[in-house]
Amino acid sequence: NAGVTQTPKFQVLKTGQSMTLQCAQDMNHNSMYWYRQDPGMGLRLIYYSASEGTTDKGEVPNGYNVSRLNKREFSLRLESAAPSQTSVYFCASIRDPGSYGYTFGSGTRLTVV
Amino acid sequence: AQTVTQSQPEMSVQEAETVTLSCTYDTSESDYYLFWYKQPPSRQMILVIRQEAYKQQNATENRFSVNFQKAAKSFSLKISDSQLGDAAMYFCAYRSHTNAGGTSYGKLTFGQGTILTVHP
Repeated sequence: NAGVTQTPKFQVLKTGQSMTLQCAQDMNHNSMYWYRQDPGMGLRLIYYSASEGTTDKGEVPNGYNVSRLNKREFSLRLESAAPSQTSVYFCASIRDPGSYGYTFGSGTRLTVV
Repeated sequence: AQTVTQSQPEMSVQEAETVTLSCTYDTSESDYYLFWYKQPPSRQMILVIRQEAYKQQNATENRFSVNFQKAAKSFSLKISDSQLGDAAMYFCAYRSHTNAGGTSYGKLTFGQGTILTVHP
């Protein structure tokens, strides 16, 4: 099925460990986004990639890095996980920044202990 | 920077009745989009309704309608004939309108969310 695929769906990390959240879309979308969702705070933008080859910081980028590997894939890396990064992470994509048909992945629930 | 505020952390409604979820936003822009998203327990983000700021007419989608008050920067969602399947977290979101040379890059700004409970 066409859409945004996130892996893994669940993950538990120890403080200081690293990991990469994967996101892939098969809709030929140009723009991709990483959000985190925390109780009482809604979704906040971590990083985005307006087009292949570009990435930029969002509202809460500290502690994260991203890679736009190709047009389909946009990964989020935690180099040294902290308990404050316990959250649900969503990847989203749209055809281009001027469109508004966002497609979201199903999310990754990450717990850092 | 734009901000979106949902002042109702939780709301409840009886099945078949009507409920209104509130959303206010702050922006200096004149052209933008507003959205309501539904997030059921499955975590999937589902678009409920969209409003373009330049349109005076309020958007409607079946049982869902909005009351868009541009001057007051208010964007409420009304759910009529509530159903058990409407129970979910609802998010209000803002996005700048991207014209040629615009720099919003399609970024969404979300409110804090409102948990809607539907009682049978």
